[in-house]
Amino acid sequence: AQSVTQLDSQVPVFEEAPVELRCNYSSSVSVYLFWYVQYPNQGLQLLLKYLSGSTLVKGINGFEAEFNKSQTSFHLRKPSVHISDTAEYFCAVTAFGNEKLTFGTGTRLTIIP
Amino acid sequence: EPEVTQTPSHQVTQMGQEVILRCVPISNHLYFYWYRQILGQKVEFLVSFYNNEISEKSEIFDDQFSVERPDGSNFTLKIRSTKLEDSAMYFCASTVQVGRELFFGEGSRLTVL
Repeated sequence: AQSVTQLDSQVPVFEEAPVELRCNYSSSVSVYLFWYVQYPNQGLQLLLKYLSGSTLVKGINGFEAEFNKSQTSFHLRKPSVHISDTAEYFCAVTAFGNEKLTFGTGTRLTIIP
Repeated sequence: EPEVTQTPSHQVTQMGQEVILRCVPISNHLYFYWYRQILGQKVEFLVSFYNNEISEKSEIFDDQFSVERPDGSNFTLKIRSTKLEDSAMYFCASTVQVGRELFFGEGSRLTVL
């Protein structure tokens, strides 16, 4: 079974500052990793994904994440945030051939003007 | 761009009533899912469905829940006799291949009184 830990439940950041949202996972087999964003009163939208290949993946809205197998991490980063980035961010994992996507508890990103 | 659509967006029901939540997955997708998110908590897997049968279900998905693909486009979640603790946002998702990106709908908010 897989599990995901998002240690930061809330992250306040000033506008135009950089941000890193942390995600660690646990799995005994190889995994696919995802970051989803949930804007207020909306559904889940895929930000980016790691399936294989380059460990640095770029997503929408200027976000990127780096897969680190030795540290079992997949932290999300953005060099300069905007007010519109205010949302809940979910890290998720699934194993090769597995049906189920396991989500972390989410990190609420609040941008301070 | 193709998307997963869900109806209703919000339903209020009395405890003990039956509820059906409807989803139209993306047309060429073969794998279908229901997830739920209780307010303030993480997104949890309920059930996966492939080739007209349940392929995996969580311990949450007890006998009160059922899923069906009654025609070539709709995918439904039925809760036979709702309980207060069923109040949550229910997300439908679909994908073309196991382990790949899940496309989520905007959710159906269920409130049980």
